[in-house]
Amino acid sequence: NAGVMQNPRHLVRRRGQEARLRCSPMKGHSHVYWYRQLPEEGLKFMVYLQKENIIDESGMPKERFSAEFPKEGPSILRIQQVVRGDSAAYFCASSPRTGYLNTEAFFGQGTRLTVV
Amino acid sequence: AQKITQTQPGMFVQEKEAVTLDCTYDTSDQSYGLFWYKQPSSGEMIFLIYQGSYDEQNATEGRYSLNFQKARKSANLVISASQLGDSAMYFCAMRPYTGNQFYFGTGTSLTVIP
Repeated sequence: NAGVMQNPRHLVRRRGQEARLRCSPMKGHSHVYWYRQLPEEGLKFMVYLQKENIIDESGMPKERFSAEFPKEGPSILRIQQVVRGDSAAYFCASSPRTGYLNTEAFFGQGTRLTVV
Repeated sequence: AQKITQTQPGMFVQEKEAVTLDCTYDTSDQSYGLFWYKQPSSGEMIFLIYQGSYDEQNATEGRYSLNFQKARKSANLVISASQLGDSAMYFCAMRPYTGNQFYFGTGTSLTVIP
C-alpha cells in the first residue's frame, strides 16, 4: 500500500524553464492538495483538486502556476518560466474526503525545486 | 481568518526527558481539527497526532500527547522520553471542518541532546 508518491524528489531548472511536479495520491484517495514550503517557513496551501476539477486555488500565484488532476494519471503542478523565488519544497497531500475531521492528509516526500 | 502560531523557533531537550512544543491557533470556526507533523532533515512530513475540537479527552499516540485547552486555543505537543531520533522540525496545523486546507505554523526545531 504505497503512500503519496511525488516525483522527482529533486528538480533543478534554469530561470525561464518550465517545472513539472507529479503527485500520485494514495490508493483510494480522490482529493489532492499542493503546498509550498519556502526555506525556514511552514507549508502554505496552494491548490486543492479532485479528479478533473479544481476546487480551491486561492493559494496559487495568479501567473505561471497551474495544476491539474486528470481522470487518469497523477496530479501535475506546472510552473512556467521559473524564477529564483520559485525555489522551494513542494508537497502534495491526499485524503479520501473532506468534511470529516479526523482525516489527516497524507503527505508525499516533497519535490525540492532549485532554480539556478 | 485562520492562524497558527508557534512561538518557539528552536528547542533543546535532554535525551529521555519530556518536552512541550507550544501551539496556539485562531479561528472563528466551531468545528476543526488540530494536527502535529514531524519533518526530519530528510524532508518528509510525518503525521504524529490529531485532536478534534469536540474531543473531550486529550489525544495520545505512544510517546506523543496533545495538551488541548480549547478556551485558550492552545494545542501543545508533549513528547515524553525524548529520543535522538526525535530531533526534527515540528509543525502544528489546523483544518477547519468546512475548509479544504491545512493552516500551518512556522514550526519548532527540536534538538535532542545525548
